[in-house]
Amino acid sequence: GQQLNQSPQSMFIQEGEDVSMNCTSSSIFNTWLWYKQDPGEGPVLLIALYKAGELTSNGRLTAQFGITRKDSFLNISASIPSDVGIYFCAVRRNDYKLSFGAGTTVTVRA
Amino acid sequence: DTAVSQTPKYLVTQMGNDKSIKCEQNLGHDTMYWYKQDSKKFLKIMFSYNNKELIINETVPNRFSPKSPDKAHLNLHINSLELGDSAVYFCASSHYIAGKETQYFGPGTRLLVL
Repeated sequence: GQQLNQSPQSMFIQEGEDVSMNCTSSSIFNTWLWYKQDPGEGPVLLIALYKAGELTSNGRLTAQFGITRKDSFLNISASIPSDVGIYFCAVRRNDYKLSFGAGTTVTVRA
Repeated sequence: DTAVSQTPKYLVTQMGNDKSIKCEQNLGHDTMYWYKQDSKKFLKIMFSYNNKELIINETVPNRFSPKSPDKAHLNLHINSLELGDSAVYFCASSHYIAGKETQYFGPGTRLLVL
């Protein structure tokens, strides 16, 4: 079953705003990943986190691996229209499979 | 240059038919995957192959049979299609560098079973 709780499920954001989404789990994972899926496309890796407490940036995106290894958040700063899409968190399980969260759908108001 | 490609992009077919989806990666990766994304956008792994060998087989009906003719290709054959098979199917490939794996997804095949 689904092991990750991702929130919010969806959000409308104003262009220029900073926004945040997060992912939590009842289990410990050693690798947390954030993907973005544009409409009609496959997911693309945004940020990979491998160390508890790690804070990593990719342009206007910043993600942190929680110190308990049970959560992660993704921030988008200064939103622009092309930030529209579905953002997925994912974890790598001990059997090396990826488990994905349910996704956060982001829509930008111009 | 397309890294991971899938054909067809759209597939509409009748219940009971047999269909195949093809995937190719030109990245030189050893590992390839099939994922299913349902109508609620939930992504779930179905199969994984490493160097043409099956290494992950999630609880998927026997009607789904992956085939890897070589390291660069992983095809998915579906027998006796059912309405519930309607979904987007994503192929992915990955490589490990310094203990870190990066997966690259294809554009997806949108399957609609009528």
